[in-house]
Order: sequence, then C-alpha cells, then structure tokens
Amino acid sequence: EAQVTQNPRYLITVTGKKLTVTCSQNMNHEYMSWYRQDPGLGLRQIYYSMNVEVTDKGDVPEGYKVSRKEKRNFPLILESPSPNQTSLYFCASRMLAKNIQYFGAGTRLSVL
Amino acid sequence: RKEVEQDPGPFNVPEGATVAFNCTYSNSASQSFFWYRQDCRKEPKLLMSVYSSGNEDGRFTAQLNRASQYISLLIRDSKLSDSATYLCVVTPRDTGTASKLTFGTGTRLQVTL
Repeated sequence: EAQVTQNPRYLITVTGKKLTVTCSQNMNHEYMSWYRQDPGLGLRQIYYSMNVEVTDKGDVPEGYKVSRKEKRNFPLILESPSPNQTSLYFCASRMLAKNIQYFGAGTRLSVL
Repeated sequence: RKEVEQDPGPFNVPEGATVAFNCTYSNSASQSFFWYRQDCRKEPKLLMSVYSSGNEDGRFTAQLNRASQYISLLIRDSKLSDSATYLCVVTPRDTGTASKLTFGTGTRLQVTL
C-alpha cells in the first residue's frame, strides 16, 4: 500500500529535550516536506527536499532541522524544543512532476 | 493580504442541502488548483483537482474563475459524511517543477440531520 508513515503519532516532551520525528514514504517520490498546522494559521511549510541531500527552508524553518540521506526518509529534528513548537505536524511527499501531495497521519507534539 | 483566503465557517447545513465554498488567491501567476478534504485531527487528502473548464466528480463540482482569481467547490445533496474541513490549494506553476503548494486555512462544513 502506498503511504507516508510518520512516527510517533503523539509526543509530549519538555523544553530543551532534543527529539526527532521520522517520516518515510514508499512511493519513490522525489519531493518531501514537513508542515505544521495551527488553529487559524492553516498548514505552513517548515522544510522541503527535492531529492537526496537537497533540502531547503519553507515558511517557518526556525527551530527545526531536517536531513535527506535516503530518498524514502525525511526526519524532522527539534534540537531544543520550545512551547511555541507545540503543534500538529504533517510529513508529505509527491512526485516532482505532479502537484498531488500525500500526507502522513500526523504527529501531535506538546512541548511543556 | 493572504496568498490564499477562505471563509473559515463553519457552514452548518442540513442533510440533502447544496453548499458552496469559495477560495480567493492573490498570485495571478497561479496555475494549478486543488481541493483537499481534512477530517478532524486527520491528514489532508486530495478531493479533486480544479480544471480551467470546471469539473465534476459525483456530487462535487469545482470551478475556476481566473479573471476574479477564485475557485469554488459545490457540494450537492450533502451527506453527514461530508462533514469536514475543505482546504483550497494553489500552486504558482504547472507540473514539471517543484512548485510550492500554498494551502488556505480551510472552510469547515458541518452537515446535520
């Protein structure tokens, strides 16, 4: 089954404790991205990657890091989480030649 | 002005009603348009693409008005299962490039008995 898998689905952590949210897709998509979704603000892109070892900032990259060492994986790293990073996070992927995007099920993060 | 604007709603409609949402976009160079559906606390999923001539998929009809820079979604014979948030998505260029998808904040629809 074609899918985007992100883990964990729920995470409660404390300020400053480094965390990683994993994302994996099995559709051989070149393009992957991370979004956060907050009430009233909609989906905002954090980082994106057009291929292995190619990453770039989205609209709200501060406080986040990503890496793309393999085509299928695109982890999101919060080196020192803060309460304003409490949000619902989605990983997404698509083919470069098509604009139809597939989303993971989401990770609900709370930073205390 | 936001790149993509939607009325947040909620639109509360009885089952069987016809309901329409509009979405306006600010970038006149926008080329590709989509409607996504998002159920509460779930991931967005593609509902339908929007073509220049308008297109229909069952009870759903999407229209594009380039002159006024808006797209619309019409839902006929609303079902309880249509209750969700509908996201308007716009991209600046057509396929072939890694163009950015810009999402509206969504319009919430609640269909009631």
